[in-house]
Amino acid sequence: KAGVTQTPRYLIKTRGQQVTLSCSPISGHRSVSWYQQTPGQGLQFLFEYFSETQRNKGNFPGRFSGRQFSNSRSEMNVSTLELGDSALYLCASSLTGPGNTEAFFGQGTRLTVV
Amino acid sequence: GENVEQHPSTLSVQEGDSAVIKCTYSDSASNYFPWYKQELGKRPQLIIDIRSNVGEKKDQRIAVTLNKTAKHFSLHITETQPEDSAVYFCAARGSGYSTLTFGKGTMLLVSP
Repeated sequence: KAGVTQTPRYLIKTRGQQVTLSCSPISGHRSVSWYQQTPGQGLQFLFEYFSETQRNKGNFPGRFSGRQFSNSRSEMNVSTLELGDSALYLCASSLTGPGNTEAFFGQGTRLTVV
Repeated sequence: GENVEQHPSTLSVQEGDSAVIKCTYSDSASNYFPWYKQELGKRPQLIIDIRSNVGEKKDQRIAVTLNKTAKHFSLHITETQPEDSAVYFCAARGSGYSTLTFGKGTMLLVSP
């Protein structure tokens, strides 16, 4: 079966712009989580969506937002980009939640803010 | 919330040696502990996990142990091979939450 797909793979944006990242989960998976990965900081949790509802949220500013559609695809938006937002953004899908059932990661979107 | 500490940040071993990576967690109600392997330029992939009702789990050369009293768990890799070189992340899920909190990762380098 198809894995988790993230688009685009690479993005270069200018400070102050906004960006939208997309994540298509494995068919049948209803939970999508987003993580920010930076060198030395590991994977930091942004938020998790389940059946179109945000179920959990990490400690990120309000510039980071997301949503989930009825087909479980999820988007993440970052507004007013800052240099520090440069990172690899990973999404992970699971059947019912990343702690209940195995979480499968996408290959990530590499965001560079200049 | 949950906090996960992972050590060491870098680990270099010779091929055939064993490698041990340790993690501690803060939420005593945490009940699920997965380990992910991320090769350079690739996505993290689950390699083994353990739930709080089990003390140890093995899968070929990989094993995970859990000490609930001390709130720590460890990944053990025996007979390491160059293809084991990657970044390894531990994670913990707290009871009542559906999120995973990750450690900062351990870069394992296996020299031939």
